[in-house]
Amino acid sequence: QKEVEQNSGPLSVPEGAIASLNCTYSDRGSQSFFWYRQYSGKSPELIMSIYSNGDKEDGRFTAQLNKASQYVSLLIRDSQPSDSATYLCASPGWPDKLIFGTGTRLQVFP
Amino acid sequence: DGGITQSPKYLFRKEGQNVTLSCEQNLNHDAMYWYRQDPGQGLRLIYYSQIVNDFQKGDIAEGYSVSREKKESFPLTVTSAQKNPTAFYLCASWTGDSYEQFFGPGTRLTVL
Repeated sequence: QKEVEQNSGPLSVPEGAIASLNCTYSDRGSQSFFWYRQYSGKSPELIMSIYSNGDKEDGRFTAQLNKASQYVSLLIRDSQPSDSATYLCASPGWPDKLIFGTGTRLQVFP
Repeated sequence: DGGITQSPKYLFRKEGQNVTLSCEQNLNHDAMYWYRQDPGQGLRLIYYSQIVNDFQKGDIAEGYSVSREKKESFPLTVTSAQKNPTAFYLCASWTGDSYEQFFGPGTRLTVL
């Protein structure tokens, strides 16, 4: 059974700092990963996807994939209170499913 | 606007009742999914469907049933056999290309 693991947090960072969220996975064959943001009481929203080793940047967000070490990270630069949410990491399972981690709760304080 | 709709937003059920949660999408996606989320927990897959008239059990299918008579619709029935149904239920769909799933707004079910 493929697994995706995250630290549940909360991760607390001051406004303007870099928040670093991490995810490890068990299947060495996993090729793609997704980061979802979920505000309290709302549904998950896809914010980043990464398909190859290395970094992918989109605005204040950077996803990092390290296949050799089997981890994927999400960096949020210049963190804002509006970034406070739970961040879910996911990777494809078979067939046609996504395997989700339990999520990391991020708190950005002013 | 294309998207996924779920109704109702809030649902209250008495013990012993069956209830049906609606999920509709106009994204022309083939695959649809139902997840359950408990407070402070991740997403657990209940059922999914890759094509019309076909569906598969996920990790926690007991006490639930689904149908997929139309591409746009994937309703979930929570039966009286589900002993602890109070949770947040999320429907999602997938293009079939990149594994990126898109979620509806969710239905919060409470058993009274």
